[in-house]
Amino acid sequence: LAKTTQPISMDSYEGQEVNITCSHNNIATNDYITWYQQFPSQGPRFIIQGYKTKVTNEVASLFIPADRKSSTLSLPRVSLSDTAVYYCLVDQTGANNLFFGTGTRLTVIP
Amino acid sequence: SAVISQKPSRDICQRGTSLTIQCQVDSQVTMMFWYRQQPGQSLTLIATANQGSEATYESGFVIDKFPISRPNLTFSTLTVSNMSPEDSSIYLCSVDSGVQYFGPGTRLTVT
Repeated sequence: LAKTTQPISMDSYEGQEVNITCSHNNIATNDYITWYQQFPSQGPRFIIQGYKTKVTNEVASLFIPADRKSSTLSLPRVSLSDTAVYYCLVDQTGANNLFFGTGTRLTVIP
Repeated sequence: SAVISQKPSRDICQRGTSLTIQCQVDSQVTMMFWYRQQPGQSLTLIATANQGSEATYESGFVIDKFPISRPNLTFSTLTVSNMSPEDSSIYLCSVDSGVQYFGPGTRLTVT
């Protein structure tokens, strides 16, 4: 299992773009990079998944450099409701294990 | 996507008793997972439950303490047996449907 390293916490003002970078130096060829968001008292919610280059959906963008040893989750124009813990995971899609690291606690400030 | 419900949403239990947590998904899935999330911590996988076979437990978790049933493709239960205060956690089930989708969790407090 490839472990991940993320900043423990980040603060941002409303309306700003937030970039959360995750290191995964031991990522395997078959691994995908997936980001989850978790609000207090809720289960994690899937945000975005990618394998290489850039992926964008209605919620976020995911940037993955060519060596795939890191990835950056980009949240455009955050609002107070984006305050949550964000987890970066690497896994083989369909594999048993998801290893959740410490996650990044994002606090959006008015 | 998959919609997952869990029962109960929360419970307060006495030391030495057992609690069974139910997980229901709105579609048939092969793999279901049970996680534990202790207060302020990340998620830890307890076991993987495939329909028709014994659950596979992760290191540090044993069947006698956390028996799991998987009677069909939409339902699973996790029992927390002989509880102690250290079992106070949020227990979450998830399913793999391309990505993993999680239930809302069951908040267990053991007194």
